[in-house]
Order: sequence, then C-alpha cells, then structure tokens
Amino acid sequence: KAGVTQTPRYLIKTRGQQVTLSCSPISGHRSVSWYQQTPGQGLQFLFEYFSETQRNKGNFPGRFSGRQFSNSRSEMNVSTLELGDSALYLCASSLVAGSGNTQYFGPGTRLTVL
Amino acid sequence: DQQVKQNSPSLSVQEGRISILNCDYTNSMFDYFLWYKKYPAEGPTFLISISSIKDKNEDGRFTVFLNKSAKHLSLHIVPSQPGDSAVYFCAARDAGNMLTFGGGTRLMVKP
Repeated sequence: KAGVTQTPRYLIKTRGQQVTLSCSPISGHRSVSWYQQTPGQGLQFLFEYFSETQRNKGNFPGRFSGRQFSNSRSEMNVSTLELGDSALYLCASSLVAGSGNTQYFGPGTRLTVL
Repeated sequence: DQQVKQNSPSLSVQEGRISILNCDYTNSMFDYFLWYKKYPAEGPTFLISISSIKDKNEDGRFTVFLNKSAKHLSLHIVPSQPGDSAVYFCAARDAGNMLTFGGGTRLMVKP
C-alpha cells in the first residue's frame, strides 16, 4: 500500500507570494490533517479535513487555508507569504476523523521564504 | 501557551545505556498520549502510546510511563541503539480527538 505522498518536497518562494502544497493520503483514508513544524515549536496543528469538510482548525491566521477533494487528496494554500512561514509542512492521513487516531505522516514539504 | 512541553531539546546517550525522554502537559482532560519518532527527511512515525487509565505500557525496548498527578510522561529506551537517533515527539489527545504535540527532543545515541 502506498504511503502518504506530498508534493513538492522542496519549495522556495519570496515574501508576498502565495504557495499551494498537495497531499495524497493512503488509499481508503478519508481524513487529512496538516501540521507546521518549526525548530523548537514541534508540530503545530493547522487543520483537518474529513470527507471534503474542514473538521478542525488550529490557531493560524486566515492566510492559511486548505481544501479536500472527493478523492480525499488535500491542498493547503498560504497567501502573502512571510519569512516566518518558512517551515516543514507535514500532512497526515487516517481512516477516520480526528487526528487522535493512528495517523500516517507524509515526508513533508520544506518551504523556504526569502 | 504550550499545553505539551518537552523541556529538553536534545539528549546524548551512549549505546547500550538507557535513554529517558520526558514530556509534561497542562491539560488534565488529555486522555491518551503518544510518542512519535522522526528521522530527517521523513515524516513522524508512531512509536508507542498509553491511555490515561494506565501508568505503564511496554513494547520491546520502549516503555512509556504516565504520572497523571504530576502531568508527566516519559519514554524509556533500553538498551539504546545508534538507530534510535532521531527526534522524538510526544503528543496528547483531547476530548475532540485532536492531538497536541510537544516541541520534540533530539536523541543522539553514540556508538
């Protein structure tokens, strides 16, 4: 069974630009969660999608948004990029809603904002 | 305010010895705790978990201890191996079935 895939793996953008990251969950998984990882801050929850609906949202500004498609693939968008948005963005999929269930993480997208 | 904290950003241990990674939390409503392990360029992988109704869970070389009164959990790795070198994250689950992660501890096991 293929694991969680994320594209692209690396991305360099400049301040003010926008970016879209993609996540394909494990086949059959309907829940996708997104996290931001920065040094010392651990994994901070961005949002979770289940069956194309945002189920939960973390404490991030509205510049961060996401969506989920009918095939459970998810995209995350960050608009008006800031230097502080440089981070590793991880997505995780699980069979059922709620990240507390066993999640399977992708390798992440490393975003650098210059 | 961080509800889950790992106060040691790094830990260095000799191969064969015990590694003890600590995690503190503030929310008494957390009912389930997990440890994840992360290698560079890979996503975190689930390692071991413990329910709040237990105080110990063991899986091979890995044991997690939970002290609810102190709101503290720890992960023991015995014996430590060089392949255990990674970043370890503790996470806690709330009533909404959402996870809150700690900041991570980088473990280095020296041969």
